[in-house]
Amino acid sequence: ILNVEQSPQSLHVQEGDSTNFTCSFPSSNFYALHWYRWETAKSPEALFVMTLNGDEKKKGRISATLNTKEGYSYLYIKGSQPEDSATYLCAFRDLYGNNRLAFGKGNQVVVIP
Amino acid sequence: EAQVTQNPRYLITVTGKKLTVTCSQNMNHEYMSWYRQDPGLGLRQIYYSMNVEVTDKGDVPEGYKVSRKEKRNFPLILESPSPNQTSLYFCASSPTTGSSYNEQFFGPGTRLTVL
Repeated sequence: ILNVEQSPQSLHVQEGDSTNFTCSFPSSNFYALHWYRWETAKSPEALFVMTLNGDEKKKGRISATLNTKEGYSYLYIKGSQPEDSATYLCAFRDLYGNNRLAFGKGNQVVVIP
Repeated sequence: EAQVTQNPRYLITVTGKKLTVTCSQNMNHEYMSWYRQDPGLGLRQIYYSMNVEVTDKGDVPEGYKVSRKEKRNFPLILESPSPNQTSLYFCASSPTTGSSYNEQFFGPGTRLTVL
């Protein structure tokens, strides 16, 4: 079982503040790193799929970076809004995984108006 | 509309009564997967399928069966459910080629309670 760690597990952010959190994954046999956004009572939706070391992806106020050599990815939310409240999941795929993703436990974000 | 559907969305059942949770996708995806979500444990993979008639165990397959007779359908079967299978279940599918390669599309979830 591949070890994917996310920290912090939960965080409260004041509306308008920026925040970031971390996903750590095995640094060997890297294939892809995914970020998903999961709102309460809905299903997870893909934010980013990252494959290259040094990748940086952006969608609106949310962006992510990738360091495959040291095995971590950061997700940033700039100017948090209440609609950003969700659990953010990262998932790691290795070279031999047959499309399988190993998920972290998530970063639960609550944006306080 | 491209989507993954699951039925039922909610189910309360009793120990030992066989049940099936259906999953269907209309995106012609090769890969399909079942996960369970439990508090504090994250999404854990139960079974997955690379294509029709090709299935394999994930990390927590005990007590579950699957089949993949058609590309669009991937039912999850609990032959004799037990209370420790009370969980939130997600089906997901993904393409294995193209621009959204490997991005997983999730169904709405099935909340199962086994008494």
